[in-house]
Amino acid sequence: KQEVTQIPAALSVPEGENLVLNCSFTDSAIYNLQWFRQDPGKGLTSLLLIQSSQREQTSGRLNASLDKSSGRSTLYIAASQPGDSATYLCAGGGGKLIFGQGTTLQVKP
Amino acid sequence: GAGVSQTPSNKVTEKGKYVELRCDPISGHTALYWYRQSLGQGPEFLIYFQGTGAADDSGLPNDRFFAVRPEGSVSTLKIQRTERGDSAVYLCASSPWAGENNEQFFGPGTRLTVL
Repeated sequence: KQEVTQIPAALSVPEGENLVLNCSFTDSAIYNLQWFRQDPGKGLTSLLLIQSSQREQTSGRLNASLDKSSGRSTLYIAASQPGDSATYLCAGGGGKLIFGQGTTLQVKP
Repeated sequence: GAGVSQTPSNKVTEKGKYVELRCDPISGHTALYWYRQSLGQGPEFLIYFQGTGAADDSGLPNDRFFAVRPEGSVSTLKIQRTERGDSAVYLCASSPWAGENNEQFFGPGTRLTVL
């Protein structure tokens, strides 16, 4: 059974810092890995999808990598801004998604 | 273009009542997913459809939960004899088709409160 874990559960950084959010999964037979952002009381916004044949994806200040052999994915956020404050969720699957519990990020001005 | 929409945005009901939650997927998306999110947790999978048929309903917690998608577009999640433990945000997502390498797009959710 696939399990997804995110560390840390919460993170507070000053504006401008580069940071890394971690996601680990137990079943290396994962197909794709998707990173989401969730603002309080809102739905999920898709940030990046790493497909099964890929190892990383980039969008603006975000870079996500996937290492199936070690069961890990990371989301790198460059030059963090207060507007990046939100909960970040990773999810693995192929069809249904299995989610981690999220990392709540606070970027202080 | 229009994203995934869900109605109602909030639903308050009493224990034992029946509720229906609606999801309108992105036009042309053949796969539709339902998830449930409790406070402070990541979403949990309930069921997904490929077209009109339920391809995987392994996440439905018990037989009080049922979902339909009769015409392969709009879906309704139905909960009978609601219990306080059913209180959560119910999220719907769609993707062009089911399976690997597909990005899922989520709606804003329906917050269900069972009193």
